[in-house]
Amino acid sequence: SYVLTQPPSVSVAPGKTARISCGGNNIGSKSVHWYQQRPGQAPVVVIYYDSDRPSGIPERFSGSNSGNTATLTISRVEAGDEADYYCQVWDSSSDHPVFGGGTKLTVL
Amino acid sequence: EVQLVETGGGLIQPGGSLRLSCAASGFTVSNNYMNWVRQAPGKGLEWVSVIYSGGSTYYADSVKGRFTISRDNSKNTLYLQMNNLRAEDTAVYYCARSRWLPPSYYFDYWGQGTLVTVSS
Repeated sequence: SYVLTQPPSVSVAPGKTARISCGGNNIGSKSVHWYQQRPGQAPVVVIYYDSDRPSGIPERFSGSNSGNTATLTISRVEAGDEADYYCQVWDSSSDHPVFGGGTKLTVL
Repeated sequence: EVQLVETGGGLIQPGGSLRLSCAASGFTVSNNYMNWVRQAPGKGLEWVSVIYSGGSTYYADSVKGRFTISRDNSKNTLYLQMNNLRAEDTAVYYCARSRWLPPSYYFDYWGQGTLVTVSS
């Protein structure tokens, strides 16, 4: 089945920009969705269909997808952004959704 | 307001059975794609099963033949019957609604999760 690769951790200082990657074979041809999971809480979608943002999600969150890498970008990072982030796609070969392994974002 | 509330988790011995429930409000379960997604302790998210609005069901290979997803339209509730449980099924189980816009779908609402622990 389709494999999504994320870095285990990313660290960023408050006010700076965090970029979390999600790698996959020709992932640019798929739609990528991103979820934020704060400790002890359920996941929340922050970006869907590569770059769309649900209502209530700050404009600081954005997404892009091209080639073999999709990227979640968080601008002007705040302490409250500290969480695990997961990318997800639909795997057409197995006909089910697939998640990346997750990236822990630490705000220094 | 959309809400999903899971119940039914607990401690169960290997080989045992458990049924999880997910009570929905704010929308109609039978008109949507409803999923179970699990997360083992300290691990990532793993999709488990889906029931489409038309009633078709699909499972991850890891649970196929042991788990059954279903719904009760009169109660607006989703279920997951889990049989022949193994230690590796230990996880928080989330109920999640998904939105389908070909060629992809994503999870727009999640419950708070219910913990299933399989241990002797």
